[in-house]
Amino acid sequence: DTAVSQTPKYLVTQMGNDKSIKCEQNLGHDTMYWYKQDSKKFLKIMFSYNNKELIINETVPNRFSPKSPDKAHLNLHINSLELGDSAVYFCASSQVRGGYTFGSGTRLTVV
Amino acid sequence: SQQGEEDPQALSIQEGENATMNCSYKTSINNLQWYRQNSGRGLVHLILIRSNEREKHSGRLRVTLDTSKKSSSLLITASRAADTASYFCATDAAGNNRKLIWGLGTSLAVNP
Repeated sequence: DTAVSQTPKYLVTQMGNDKSIKCEQNLGHDTMYWYKQDSKKFLKIMFSYNNKELIINETVPNRFSPKSPDKAHLNLHINSLELGDSAVYFCASSQVRGGYTFGSGTRLTVV
Repeated sequence: SQQGEEDPQALSIQEGENATMNCSYKTSINNLQWYRQNSGRGLVHLILIRSNEREKHSGRLRVTLDTSKKSSSLLITASRAADTASYFCATDAAGNNRKLIWGLGTSLAVNP
């Protein structure tokens, strides 16, 4: 009964490739998020959707594009991957003003 | 932008001891949340404390909030080796668009 599941768990790819990470939540939460965690463990918000509407769009390269087909899903597509994109990407969901439930993360390595 | 700052950055204690971590923030908040992250895993929500609350307990965890000092503390009593993890505070700032502001975390090592 995974609450927030994201796939894949590991992703190793070459520079210049395009890849997607999928996220699904079965908690009935209205809001979903994508975070990037760097090697120093700093968590940076990338995007947030509320009921399929984009509400947070931080300064990230245009190569990153989120898609939310419904409020239970938030996918992240990355074009033309660069070495600096290597990080752990976390999906999360929450209700308004509530605690977040995180997925287990996708470790992206760009070689 | 980063708002929460945890203190200390790293803490090493023996099993059975208490661990105290502090978090300071800069703006008015709706609530403050504490999370745990075990190595290589996702973050787990521990406690949410609202701006009108001063103290909250959950099992061996005790969180306090002092809005006048813009600070919070997380106390883990009778620590166990399994408590070894990074602990993050995050603030839900008043008036913002539901974006949590995260600290850099405290790395806790509980030695058997």
